[in-house]
Amino acid sequence: EAGVAQSPRYKIIEKRQSVAFWCNPISGHATLYWYQQILGQGPKLLIQFQNNGVVDDSQLPKDRFSAERLKGVDSTLKIQPAKLEDSAVYLCASSLLQSQAFFGQGTRLTVV
Amino acid sequence: AQKVTQAQTEISVVEKEDVTLDCVYETRDTTYYLFWYKQPPSGELVFLIRRNSFDEQNEISGRYSWNFQKSTSSFNFTITASQVVDSAVYFCALSDVYGNKLVFGAGTILRVKS
Repeated sequence: EAGVAQSPRYKIIEKRQSVAFWCNPISGHATLYWYQQILGQGPKLLIQFQNNGVVDDSQLPKDRFSAERLKGVDSTLKIQPAKLEDSAVYLCASSLLQSQAFFGQGTRLTVV
Repeated sequence: AQKVTQAQTEISVVEKEDVTLDCVYETRDTTYYLFWYKQPPSGELVFLIRRNSFDEQNEISGRYSWNFQKSTSSFNFTITASQVVDSAVYFCALSDVYGNKLVFGAGTILRVKS
């Protein structure tokens, strides 16, 4: 069974530029999560989707971050404009309802 | 609000030693799930275990064992006879019964030396 796919693996941008990350969850998984993991810290939930609806986006900085999950499958996370403090690994995870989450390898973003 | 605390920032042991990673959590929910994940140097979070708050039985899987004590809000993880391949960052996590609000602790770095 294929795991959670994320792209790109690495991205370097200048501050104030925009960037987008893509996630393809495990087939059949209704729940999709985006996490931000700053170096040396635990993952922080940014947004959780159930199918194509948002369950929780309370920690998403909505002035610069946006996410969508069209058709309830793939998802994109966008940052515009990026700040230096956005440098982190962005992790996508998916799960069946009321089950454990499986994570992708993440996208390492460096903002210079 | 849900919160997970992993007080041990880093632990170093010599191969074959036993090691316990501590996890303390806070939640107002009466039913919830607890998890442990492993993050090796490659960066991917690997699922290890999920435990329902109704089930307080300890669990053993090979060299891994978990001790869940609801009375002290703790869910500790023990590795018996540690190996170098166990070196990684270990995260404890908590979600509600629907799998929502999956919150992670800060992680414990485990270094196993040969």
